[in-house]
Amino acid sequence: QVQLVESGGGVVQPGRSLRLSCTASGFTFSSYGMHWVRQAPGKGLEWVAVISYDGSNKYYADSVKGRFTISRDNSKNTLYLQMNSLRPEDTAVYYCTKGMTSVTPDYWGQGTLVTVSS
Amino acid sequence: QSALTQPASVSGSPGQSITISCTGTSSDVGSYNLVSWYQLHPGQAPKLVIYEGSKRPSGVSNRFSDSKSGNTASLTISGLQAEDEADYYCCSYAGSSTWVFGGGTKLTVL
Repeated sequence: QVQLVESGGGVVQPGRSLRLSCTASGFTFSSYGMHWVRQAPGKGLEWVAVISYDGSNKYYADSVKGRFTISRDNSKNTLYLQMNSLRPEDTAVYYCTKGMTSVTPDYWGQGTLVTVSS
Repeated sequence: QSALTQPASVSGSPGQSITISCTGTSSDVGSYNLVSWYQLHPGQAPKLVIYEGSKRPSGVSNRFSDSKSGNTASLTISGLQAEDEADYYCCSYAGSSTWVFGGGTKLTVL
């Protein structure tokens, strides 16, 4: 079955960087677009970024554009989110999600918590 | 990229039906047949329950259905069960390869 396992979360100071990873299994990773979605404490879900199946196209929410970079390594079945210039408002659980053929998010991981605090 | 509007909470008794609305704009919900709904139980990964106009993933009960009128999509859960108590989020494609979620609705089964 489809499994998505995020890692790399933790506590980081404002202005610093962090890289999240998402290891996928149970499907042909290289055939599907992938998303990152986050949920701040007590808040709703917020779409963060999407990457095409081959990594050639990447799109971002305005709130992270220019600071976050989504990437993937299809040889390792792994999705990444490089987060730079982190702000307290980036504190959230970050989920990776698999896209369907239409790129609609379908399967989700359990998430990894990122806390930006001094 | 403004969030879609959902009611903060809805409630219903076992066996009843409830509807959760999701209001967007002509740039997202109103323009695309790409609205999806997710169920979030505390401590669990979000689960897709409806996608692309009342399509249900394998294993999701047919008690879940949706509809759309203009810029508003609606999720209906019929025959409410205790296990349906969760947070529900809508999501829509918003053009230019971007996506937008709703603010979420807490469903309480009385």
